[in-house]
Amino acid sequence: IQLTQSPSSLSASVGDRVTITCRASQGISSYLAWYQQKPGKAPKLLIYGASTLQSGVPSRFSGSGSGTDFTLTISSLQPEDFATYYCQQLNSYPFTFGGGTKVEIK
Amino acid sequence: EVQLLESGGGLVQPGGSLRLSCAASGFTFFTYAMSWVRQAPGKGLEWVSTISGSGGGTYYADSVKGRFTVSRDNAKNTVHLQMNSLRAEDTAVYYCAKKKWAAAGQDWFDPWGQGTLVTVSS
Repeated sequence: IQLTQSPSSLSASVGDRVTITCRASQGISSYLAWYQQKPGKAPKLLIYGASTLQSGVPSRFSGSGSGTDFTLTISSLQPEDFATYYCQQLNSYPFTFGGGTKVEIK
Repeated sequence: EVQLLESGGGLVQPGGSLRLSCAASGFTFFTYAMSWVRQAPGKGLEWVSTISGSGGGTYYADSVKGRFTVSRDNAKNTVHLQMNSLRAEDTAVYYCAKKKWAAAGQDWFDPWGQGTLVTVSS
């Protein structure tokens, strides 16, 4: 199963609403996770089950979708949110990741 | 607190071997599957392997099948990745991550270790 993330990068300002999309090449129900990765650090789980916020993750992050189309939304971008975001499908092996979306400061 | 600590990375020549380890603490290790994910320099994430809690189920990416072997020692709360016939394209940071089930389905990778760098070069 291939995951296509878009955009591959974006520039945004603090306070902006940001939306990242992840499209699967075939249906994956809601078996999708989102991760945040900062330079030199390990990925951090943000959302699982397409829309369930991991404990401790700020509520400005939200996820939606099922089947083949998914979105990650940051409602009001904060300075600490500048990072690269990856989606991952866990519907079937191999557990593929999207190519990543780098969120940069405008 | 759940902690994962990888070790064993380093510089190895093409065709060589390396064994990575991931020491786990803070959870009931044998009840969780464990996975390895790698990231080539400047690139995205690539799932490598998953092993079930008992060690009886193992899964591999096609890119490493037949060359890499995942195993675990539940008495020592450690998971290993034996990497043989290494190629330049195996150069990456290797992360271990905790996963509830080996089977596919509603699940996630959390947390991740800090990673260990493997460099395959002559």
